[in-house]
Amino acid sequence: KQEVTQIPAALSVPEGENLVLNCSFTDSAIYNLQWFRQDPGKGLTSLLLIQSSQREQTSGRLNASLDKSSGRSTLYIAASQPGDSATYLCAVSRRIYGNKLVFGAGTILRVKS
Amino acid sequence: NAGVTQTPKFQVLKTGQSMTLQCAQDMNHEYMSWYRQDPGMGLRLIHYSVGAGITDQGEVPNGYNVSRSTTEDFPLRLLSAAPSQTSVYFCASSYSEGPNEKLFFGSGTQLSVL
Repeated sequence: KQEVTQIPAALSVPEGENLVLNCSFTDSAIYNLQWFRQDPGKGLTSLLLIQSSQREQTSGRLNASLDKSSGRSTLYIAASQPGDSATYLCAVSRRIYGNKLVFGAGTILRVKS
Repeated sequence: NAGVTQTPKFQVLKTGQSMTLQCAQDMNHEYMSWYRQDPGMGLRLIHYSVGAGITDQGEVPNGYNVSRSTTEDFPLRLLSAAPSQTSVYFCASSYSEGPNEKLFFGSGTQLSVL
């Protein structure tokens, strides 16, 4: 059974700092890995999706990497801002289609101004 | 486009009551799913659908029923509510873009079962 773990569970950093969020998964037979952002009382917003054949994806100040063989992914946030404060979740999918994701519990990020 | 709309946003039930959580999307997405989110845990898949008339069970389906009579709607029914079903429920829809799948989530329904 696929299990996804995120470390740390919570993180507090001063504004401007670069930071790394970690995600690990137990079964390397994945099709893709996604990083989501969740704001309090709201749904999830997709940030980055990495196919199993890819090593990394970038969007603005965000960079996600994937090491499928070791079962690890990282989300790098450059020059953090208070607006980045949210919960970040990673999720893996074994199927090509169908919405069957296995999620980690998330990392609660607070960026202090 | 409204995206994925969930109703109600909050609900309190007594043990044994039944209710339906509504989910509608106006993006003509094939795929829809229901997740629940509990404190300290990731989202867990309850049921999903790959098209109208087609549904299947996810990781935690017990106590829940779904149907997909139209592309737009994917209601989740609680047959006899239990305190263990206290949770935040999220509906999601998605479409495929080449090899990728784009997911859109509703804002959630917070359910308390007393």
